[in-house]
Amino acid sequence: NAGVTQTPKFQVLKTGQSMTLQCAQDMNHEYMSWYRQDPGMGLRLIHYSVGAGITDQGEVPNGYNVSRSTTEDFPLRLLSAAPSQTSVYFCASTTGAVGTEAFFGQGTRLTVV
Amino acid sequence: QQQVKQSPQSLIVQKGGISIINCAYENTAFDYFPWYQQFPGKGPALLIAIRPDVSEKKEGRFTISFNKSAKQFSLHIMDSQPGDSATYFCAGGGNKLTFGTGTQLKVEL
Repeated sequence: NAGVTQTPKFQVLKTGQSMTLQCAQDMNHEYMSWYRQDPGMGLRLIHYSVGAGITDQGEVPNGYNVSRSTTEDFPLRLLSAAPSQTSVYFCASTTGAVGTEAFFGQGTRLTVV
Repeated sequence: QQQVKQSPQSLIVQKGGISIINCAYENTAFDYFPWYQQFPGKGPALLIAIRPDVSEKKEGRFTISFNKSAKQFSLHIMDSQPGDSATYFCAGGGNKLTFGTGTQLKVEL
């Protein structure tokens, strides 16, 4: 089982460039989310989705867009990359029921220069 | 806004010793408290979790102690092993989780 798959694993962007981080899950999970991980700050929620066609903002949504056209895919778009968006990004999925495990992808390490 | 405070930031324990990581939360609506383990270059993976209706949960060498009145919970790793060296995150919430800042654990021989 693939679980949660993120691509790419590494990316370097120039300030102002745009890109899409891909996330796909094969567990038929309704709930998907994007986190960023920065040293000393833990995992902070960027955006999440409770099902296809439904998305909402998390703690740090500025500069990021998401869409959820299918249950399987939840891409994260950086509209105009800034050095402050240098981080490791994780996608996670869960059934959505309270108390169920959230499965994380391997992460995308993004550097904005 | 830090709703889950985690300490210590880093921890060094001798092999065979007990590792203890503490977390405190603010939001009384939280009803699920998982601990995640993360190895370098990998995504976090669920280690153990507890609901607030119990005060302790044990799985092998890993135990969560939960104090609802104090809004605190902790992870105890008994007989710590070098393979336990990783970053540990506590979290609280429901289907949406708020994470602590993480603890880097190093278990030395």
